[in-house]
Amino acid sequence: DQQVKQNSPSLSVQEGRISILNCDYTNSMFDYFLWYKKYPAEGPTFLISISSIKDKNEDGRFTVFLNKSAKHLSLHIVPSQPGDSAVYFCAVKNSGGSNYKLTFGKGTLLTVNP
Amino acid sequence: NAGVTQTPKFRVLKTGQSMTLLCAQDMNHEYMYWYRQDPGMGLRLIHYSVGEGTTAKGEVPDGYNVSRLKKQNFLLGLESAAPSQTSVYFCASSYRQGSSYNSPLHFGNGTRLTVT
Repeated sequence: DQQVKQNSPSLSVQEGRISILNCDYTNSMFDYFLWYKKYPAEGPTFLISISSIKDKNEDGRFTVFLNKSAKHLSLHIVPSQPGDSAVYFCAVKNSGGSNYKLTFGKGTLLTVNP
Repeated sequence: NAGVTQTPKFRVLKTGQSMTLLCAQDMNHEYMYWYRQDPGMGLRLIHYSVGEGTTAKGEVPDGYNVSRLKKQNFLLGLESAAPSQTSVYFCASSYRQGSSYNSPLHFGNGTRLTVT
């Protein structure tokens, strides 16, 4: 039973356009949400996060949106650059429960074409 | 700072052999984790540690053992390797997590293990 779903295994966009990566979760107890980026042969690196008390968090070209009623979050990258090509993992946590544990989605491979 | 360092980077084992994966972090993090990544499965937590001398089971602990004798090191052991343990293993660390404070995980670059 998947608690975190990234329904698009891959996404291809043109350089300069917007990339939108989506993530859905099932448990309303999750209250902290993160995006990680992973290049081949490297470990995931933290990109951006958002707490459930917010609906938007922005960091440069990256913005994460949270829709708690829909249990949906998305990552927007504007403008997309070829160096953004990587696998993006959504991760969620229940800070009040077993707060050590991050639950990851299966990832979306983003390809940004020059 | 090296961050999180994993050794070895690659290993091939035969079924039934044993091995230990080493993870070292130089960030003075309290929490350490072992994950495995399989195609189409995302990252799954094997074991974790909330401090020196402590370990606990994650989602997929069977077939693995861990030890945290020193704060900076977290070892993952396979006593009798099976083909189902063919995977990429990632170690991660973080500062102490709290109900009002969330510290991102810092990952190593992974160990690719093949069991034949």
